[in-house]
Amino acid sequence: NAGVMQNPRHLVRRRGQEARLRCSPMKGHSHVYWYRQLPEEGLKFMVYLQKENIIDESGMPKERFSAEFPKEGPSILRIQQVVRGDSAAYFCASSATGGTGNTIYFGEGSWLTVV
Amino acid sequence: SQQGEEDPQALSIQEGENATMNCSYKTSINNLQWYRQNSGRGLVHLILIRSNEREKHSGRLRVTLDTSKKSSSLLITASRAADTASYFCATDAGGGADGLTFGKGTHLIIQP
Repeated sequence: NAGVMQNPRHLVRRRGQEARLRCSPMKGHSHVYWYRQLPEEGLKFMVYLQKENIIDESGMPKERFSAEFPKEGPSILRIQQVVRGDSAAYFCASSATGGTGNTIYFGEGSWLTVV
Repeated sequence: SQQGEEDPQALSIQEGENATMNCSYKTSINNLQWYRQNSGRGLVHLILIRSNEREKHSGRLRVTLDTSKKSSSLLITASRAADTASYFCATDAGGGADGLTFGKGTHLIIQP
């Protein structure tokens, strides 16, 4: 899983600011997933993207959250006007092909703290 | 409600003993996966078992799947201090068309 790179590892934001989390998938992977983990909880699926396309965003909050995976560059998870409840660990994962029958590889996560 | 729920929530054993963790789920699945997470780190994939498989081995790990009971177990034999981590099961149902659904995990502590 060391191949999936996320940054920043830790991010502190004040309420109302924007948080931008980046994820570079493993080399050769074109499928990216974002998950959120609240303290003492399991991971919750947020969104699944391929290059330039959002495939499944059924786990994304309806407001303030957006994700993209441009043709060039990393995938970005953007949280606007952050609130305390957004404090969590955000994990990116990638796979070579789509579908949950394939192994997905996780990054080390980005820990967001909203103060 | 959780699709995958691990049991127990926490487990503390002596080094060298075997550790067994269980996972129950609610809806039909195509596959079930187990992951390990060390504190403050990302998830490491351990093993995937498909719905038509009953048992799978990988090193000191043994996973079973009983689709009639909608349950799976992860056995770690001859535990080591380095096995201390949280262990999660994840299923391919209930987490969006392409998302995995994770349980809350079992926190395993191996005492030296």
